[in-house]
Amino acid sequence: EDQVTQSPEALRLQEGESSSLNCSYTVSGLRGLFWYRQDPGKGPEFLFTLYSAGEEKEKERLKATLTKKESFLHITAPKPEDSATYLCAVLPENSGGYQKVTFGTGTKLQVIP
Amino acid sequence: EAQVTQNPRYLITVTGKKLTVTCSQNMNHEYMSWYRQDPGLGLRQIYYSMNVEVTDKGDVPEGYKVSRKEKRNFPLILESPSPNQTSLYFCASSLVRRADTQYFGPGTRLTVL
Repeated sequence: EDQVTQSPEALRLQEGESSSLNCSYTVSGLRGLFWYRQDPGKGPEFLFTLYSAGEEKEKERLKATLTKKESFLHITAPKPEDSATYLCAVLPENSGGYQKVTFGTGTKLQVIP
Repeated sequence: EAQVTQNPRYLITVTGKKLTVTCSQNMNHEYMSWYRQDPGLGLRQIYYSMNVEVTDKGDVPEGYKVSRKEKRNFPLILESPSPNQTSLYFCASSLVRRADTQYFGPGTRLTVL
């Protein structure tokens, strides 16, 4: 069974204090790993897709990296507007054409001014 | 504006009273999916559809029905709701060839008394 574990569950940072969120996964072959951002009361919003170990993607203060067993979302010099829950999800190779996506439970990030 | 809409946004009902949550997208996406989000359990896939008249079970399909008669619409039906179906529900859509970029609706908060 595919599994996605995110840590920590919650993270509180001072504005400008860089840190990383972790997503460890177990799948029988990875087709893609996704990061989403979810603001309170809203649906998740797509951030990145990573397809293979060693791949990196960047967007503003966020950088996502991927190894064979985990992914990191690095947040550099965060601002209060980066406060949100960050979700990780995986799509396995054997998903039968499409889309048995498995999500983690998320990391709730709070950035304090 | 490209979007996924859900109605209603909030619903309080009683056990056994049939209800339908509607989902519509204006992006001509082939793929649509329903998720439920519960504290500590994350997003779990209920049903998905790869195109009109093509639907399949996700991880937690019990107690739910779906239909895909038109490409833009993917309603979620609860024939006999029970309290354990109290949850936050999200509809999502994407192009089949872009399995990563799912667009999520704003969510429907359902309470079953």
